[in-house]
Amino acid sequence: EAGVAQSPRYKIIEKRQSVAFWCNPISGHATLYWYQQILGQGPKLLIQFQNNGVVDDSQLPKDRFSAERLKGVDSTLKIQPAKLEDSAVYLCASSFTGTGGEKLFFGSGTQLSVL
Amino acid sequence: DAKTTQPTSMDCAEGRAANLPCNHSTISGNEYVYWYRQIHSQGPQYIIHGLKNNETNEMASLIITEDRKSSTLILPHATLRDTAVYYCIVRVVTGANSKLTFGKGITLSVRP
Repeated sequence: EAGVAQSPRYKIIEKRQSVAFWCNPISGHATLYWYQQILGQGPKLLIQFQNNGVVDDSQLPKDRFSAERLKGVDSTLKIQPAKLEDSAVYLCASSFTGTGGEKLFFGSGTQLSVL
Repeated sequence: DAKTTQPTSMDCAEGRAANLPCNHSTISGNEYVYWYRQIHSQGPQYIIHGLKNNETNEMASLIITEDRKSSTLILPHATLRDTAVYYCIVRVVTGANSKLTFGKGITLSVRP
């Protein structure tokens, strides 16, 4: 079965610019997650969707980050304006229902460098 | 915040068993123990999870102590491709809002 697809693989921007990342989860997976992974640290959950509704966005910096999953399938994560500290790998993951006994499947991530 | 503690790093020889420890002394009765690993430049990959009983699959075995306060992930015959960061995570069993919260993990280096 196809895995979680993310694009682009790499992105380099200057501070104060905008950037967007795209994720296509595994077909049939209702739950979609965006994680941020700073070098040397474990992934940190930014936002969790259940279908097209937000379940948890408590760690999303809402002044500059936004995410949507309009049709309950694909999702985009946007940063506007970017700061130097946003340099990280942005990982998308999906699972069937989001309950505690399930596996999460991760994409390969988008590596963002903010100069 | 992560609810587990792991050593920072360990190594083992290729072909030997790798035993990765994890402490989760504050685990609740409704929390699973999960293990993921992350190979360089890739997203995390699910390995195994368990609630109370020991578990085994094609990748690894998970041994959970009777009091559930600690566990050990066992890779029975480590290969160079097993070099990765391994994350031990506790996760609430029920509810759609069941977070997977990562710590820093343990870096396993498999030497030839």
